[in-house]
Parts: sequence; structure tokens; C-alpha cells
Amino acid sequence: DGGITQSPKYLFRKEGQNVTLSCEQNLNHDAMYWYRQDPGQGLRLIYYSQIVNDFQKGDIAEGYSVSREKKESFPLTVTSAQKNPTAFYLCASSGQAANTEAFFGQGTRLTVV
Amino acid sequence: GEDVEQSLFLSVREGDSSVINCTYTDSSSTYLYWYKQEPGAGLQLLTYIFSNMDMKQDQRLTVLLNKKDKHLSLRIADTQTGDSAIYFCAWGAGGYNKLIFGAGTRLAVHP
Repeated sequence: DGGITQSPKYLFRKEGQNVTLSCEQNLNHDAMYWYRQDPGQGLRLIYYSQIVNDFQKGDIAEGYSVSREKKESFPLTVTSAQKNPTAFYLCASSGQAANTEAFFGQGTRLTVV
Repeated sequence: GEDVEQSLFLSVREGDSSVINCTYTDSSSTYLYWYKQEPGAGLQLLTYIFSNMDMKQDQRLTVLLNKKDKHLSLRIADTQTGDSAIYFCAWGAGGYNKLIFGAGTRLAVHP
């Protein structure tokens, strides 16, 4: 079945460590996105990529990095520079047209211990 | 810039109608979306409305758009316990479908 998969579902990180969250899609979508969700807030865009080998900063990119070496993969690295990384992270993908549906993964909950 | 506001919590009785509201300050986007998020899961698209429409109905869901007041609402008829979730309005910005999300409204359905 086609879909978008995030892993792991839960992730624990010690302070000062980098961690990488995986996002894979087999929907043949060009665009992929990373959002961060905190309680009582909407989703905030971290990074997005419209095409392979290209990505752009979103609203809260500081302390994060991404790569888009393959169309189906868009991993997110949370670096030690991110001061408040504990959150729920959601990956999404969509086609290029303005009204195409964005499909979301099941999310990764990152906790700093 | 663009901003989207939603009330954070709504409680309704099973079988009643639920109305979830969303206001925005400024946008030139073409589409507005409603997404549903169940606990610990990703978001799922419920419906969307084109900006030149006033209303869209899809089974139990009715979307109303008032562009003059910059107000969007989602009405769920005959609300069921399975409708308990967080509902996000979102505004499409840009040709690549960048979405700006509201804070989300948590809908609780009780017997």
C-alpha cells in the first residue's frame, strides 16, 4: 500500500546529542515537509523540499538539518543546537499542485532526557 | 503575514452537532483545509474548500467560508464518539502546497 512512514515512533535523546528522524514515502510525491507540534499550538514548519536535492527553511529551522538525496526519503536531524527539542514531529508529502492533499506520517515523539 | 486562530476546546453530547471555528488575518491562498488528528497519530485530510465557494457539504460535514469576515467553520452533524479528535484548519500558501495550521480544536464527545 502507498503511504508515508516515520520511524521510530518514540525516541529518547540525551542532551548534547544529535538524532535523526526517518521519513519515507512511496507515493511518488515531489514535495516533502517536516512539522513540529507542541501542545496547544498548531503545526510549525521546520523544513520543506519541493524536489530532490533541494530544500528550504521553514519558520523554525534553527537547530535542525535535512537532506533530500532520494525522492522517497527526507530525514530530519535534530542537532544539539536545538534548545528545546522535546516535541512531536510530523512528516508530510504532497504533489506539486496547489490543492493536492498532504499525507502525513504517524509522527515521532522525541524526548530529551 | 498570515495567522490562523482556533478555539482550543469543544465538548458536545453524542448526537448533537459540533461547530468548530477558525479565523485568519490575511491570506491570498486558494484553498482552505480541515484536518483531523487522532491521539498519537498524524493528520488526516477531512475536506477542503476552494476560496471562491461559500459552502461545501460532504455527508455529515459542512464547511462554511465567509471571506469578508475571514472566518471558516466546520460543522459535524450527529457527532459520534469516533469524532473525538483534534481538528486543524489549514491554509494553503504557495504553489507547492505549503500549509499554515491553526492551533487545533480538541473535540470531546460525551454520552
